[in-house]
Amino acid sequence: DTAVSQTPKYLVTQMGNDKSIKCEQNLGHDTMYWYKQDSKKFLKIMFSYNNKELIINETVPNRFSPKSPDKAHLNLHINSLELGDSAVYFCASSQDTYEQYFGPGTRLTVT
Amino acid sequence: SQQGEEDPQALSIQEGENATMNCSYKTSINNLQWYRQNSGRGLVHLILIRSNEREKHSGRLRVTLDTSKKSSSLLITASRAADTASYFCATDAIGSGYSTLTFGKGTMLLVSP
Repeated sequence: DTAVSQTPKYLVTQMGNDKSIKCEQNLGHDTMYWYKQDSKKFLKIMFSYNNKELIINETVPNRFSPKSPDKAHLNLHINSLELGDSAVYFCASSQDTYEQYFGPGTRLTVT
Repeated sequence: SQQGEEDPQALSIQEGENATMNCSYKTSINNLQWYRQNSGRGLVHLILIRSNEREKHSGRLRVTLDTSKKSSSLLITASRAADTASYFCATDAIGSGYSTLTFGKGTMLLVSP
């Protein structure tokens, strides 16, 4: 069974479109995260939710909006996509302050 | 701001050799973690070392932590071609109520058969 899953794996879209990426974890963890990994492999935290409550919101454009319908799901909606949004987006989950479990990533390409 | 900095950026060795990667960070931490990322995949947790620990082992992995120098090293012994991946250190800073990992830029390790 996949511990942290993301859909879609690849997403190619045009500038100005709105898209969503979904994430689900079956580990029973309380905390979920979204990271962005750029072309140089630098991984940066975007958001973190604990029990459906937003606890970390790094400096991210307002066009990015996370939504957590329950503690097993954390979705990422992006409005008005820009070229600079092209990256790989990773979802992760953890329990307490220990290791994080990552999903396989969603490669977003904005043309 | 970026916390961890790995060194070297890239490392190329032969199978059977040892690989050492270093990580430096800037602020006080609760723990430091090492992750591996195979090409096109998500990150996989390797090992966690707490701020009051100096050394930790897991299989062929050995991690050291020097909080006075704000640095850590990851040693992979008897490397295999399957160890080829990028390795990241991540620090969990003191003061955050929840796990807030800050990742370095990673070391790309290539192990040739």
